[in-house]
Amino acid sequence: DAKTTQPPSMDCAEGRAANLPCNHSTISGNEYVYWYRQIHSQGPQYIIHGLKNNETNEMASLIITEDRKSSTLILPHATLRDTAVYYCIVRGLNAGNMLTFGGGTRLMVKP
Amino acid sequence: GAVVSQHPSRVICKSGTSVKIECRSLDFQATTMFWYRQFPKQSLMLMATSNEGSKATYEQGVEKDKFLINHASLTLSTLTVTSAHPEDSSFYICSASSQRAYNEQFFGPGTRLTVL
Repeated sequence: DAKTTQPPSMDCAEGRAANLPCNHSTISGNEYVYWYRQIHSQGPQYIIHGLKNNETNEMASLIITEDRKSSTLILPHATLRDTAVYYCIVRGLNAGNMLTFGGGTRLMVKP
Repeated sequence: GAVVSQHPSRVICKSGTSVKIECRSLDFQATTMFWYRQFPKQSLMLMATSNEGSKATYEQGVEKDKFLINHASLTLSTLTVTSAHPEDSSFYICSASSQRAYNEQFFGPGTRLTVL
């Protein structure tokens, strides 16, 4: 699976949009971009995933560049409960395709 | 979404004893289960992948005789830490995936193991 690069930490004001970037310049054509987050002492929580089109769900939006070499996760109105480590992962969809977790971005939402 | 449970959520044991951690998929049949380990302030590291009815595939550096994995049914996998030592203290997390769910992985809440 392709490696990803994320900033180690970010701050965001409560109520503002949080934009978390991810670089995945070696992504291959059949690999999806996944985002998970991990709140302290809990298991990872799935947020969203996409292949090449932008995606939106009740939690977040995912913007993938046209060349698919980078993406941005957007939390439109961050709350204190969004404070977590956010992981950007690329993987294929074959059975057994594991998730390889990098360092992630530690997002701190401040009042 | 699919629900994965782990039991126990927290365990403290003495050095030299064995500890079993259960991972269950509550509302779907998991063809594949994964076990991860996470040390403080570090990311999740995959330990092993198991398919129902087959032997687990361990990642490099993970001792298969120390971390016994059993995936006897489509809803249950167990991880047994044998002869635990303080350096085995960690947060153990399982995930489960199903071919019917496009092989998405659903994570359990984790088990905090402390070896005294």
